[in-house]
Formats: sequence, C-alpha cells, structure tokens
Amino acid sequence: NAGVMQNPRHLVRRRGQEARLRCSPMKGHSHVYWYRQLPEEGLKFMVYLQKENIIDESGMPKERFSAEFPKEGPSILRIQQVVRGDSAAYFCASSPYRTGENEAFFGQGTRLTVV
Amino acid sequence: RKEVEQDPGPFNVPEGATVAFNCTYSNSASQSFFWYRQDCRKEPKLLMSVYSSGNEDGRFTAQLNRASQYISLLIRDSKLSDSATYLCVVNNMFSGGYNKLIFGAGTRLAVHP
Repeated sequence: NAGVMQNPRHLVRRRGQEARLRCSPMKGHSHVYWYRQLPEEGLKFMVYLQKENIIDESGMPKERFSAEFPKEGPSILRIQQVVRGDSAAYFCASSPYRTGENEAFFGQGTRLTVV
Repeated sequence: RKEVEQDPGPFNVPEGATVAFNCTYSNSASQSFFWYRQDCRKEPKLLMSVYSSGNEDGRFTAQLNRASQYISLLIRDSKLSDSATYLCVVNNMFSGGYNKLIFGAGTRLAVHP
C-alpha cells in the first residue's frame, strides 16, 4: 500500500509563472488536506477536499491559489503568477473518514522555490 | 489566541535526559489529539495518539486533560535520534460534519552527547 505521493519533490519557478503541485492520496483515502510550511514555521492549513468537492478552503489566499480533487486522478494545488513569498514546502495529507481513524498521513512534500 | 499553542523551544538536553512538552488548545469541543514528529526538511509523521486515560509507547508517554485543555508528551531516556520538532495536533469537528487537523507551531528538541 503506497503512501501519499506528491510530485514534484522540488519545483523552481520564476516570478509570474504558474506552479502545479500534485498529490495522490493513500489507497482507500478519499480526503485530502493541503498545508503550507514557511521556513522555520509550523504547518498552516490551506484547504480540505473530498472527491470533486472543496469542503473547507478557509486557509487559501483569496487570489492566485486554487485546488481541486477530481473524480479521477490526483489532487492539484495550483498557484498562478507566483511571487517570492510563495516559496515554501507544501504538504499534502490524506485520511480515511471513519470515526477513530482520523489521523492523517503526509506525503513527502513539494518544495517550491520562486526565483 | 492561537488554536493550538506549544512551548517554542528549542530544548537542548543531554542523552538520557527526560524532557516534557506542553500544549494547550482553545476549542473545548476538539475531538482527538495527536503528537507528530517532523525531522528537518521532512514530512510530519504520526508519533502517537493521545487518549484521556493517558497512553505510553516505550519511552514516550502522552497525557490529555480535557478540563484544562492541555496535552503533554514526556520522553524518557532521550536518544540522539529523538532530535526533531514535535508537533501538537488537534482534530476538530466542524458543523459540516468534517474533521480538520490543526497544528501547533512545534517545539524543537536537540539531544546532544
């Protein structure tokens, strides 16, 4: 049973370009969370998705950021017109939705560097 | 007030020491609680869940006090390999019937020879 898979592991973008980060949850998990971690800081919640639905996007910046989790394929976090301040580690986590089994399992993260 | 607050650290301790991490949370309706460990430039990994009755896993003991909204982690006989950042995590249920994990900022531990 493969773990949560994120790609790419490292992504370099110039200011103004688009960044697309992918996350495939663990087999059997239909719940995906995205978190952002700035250098020397904790994890900040961005968005929670189930298949084809955004459940909670309260942590997403109002502009340039979007997320989706289609019926088929991985979850995508998209950042348009990246700026230097977007440089961070972006972690995806997946979870099954059963009472008592609600810890989350993390992917290895995508480290975005904006130059 | 932050939803989950931890000692900022860092804690620098010698091998063999006992170290305790504290955490408080603001939402009295929080449902479940965890400690995660994060190594430098790695993803967080579940260390242990925290139960009201307290639970132990080898050298690690976790305690939960719901009345005080307080969580603790005790590490006995610390090893060099325990050096990491320890994250206090609270799982809250929202009115839409979904859960969301809220992370503390983490406490860094450095164990030295």
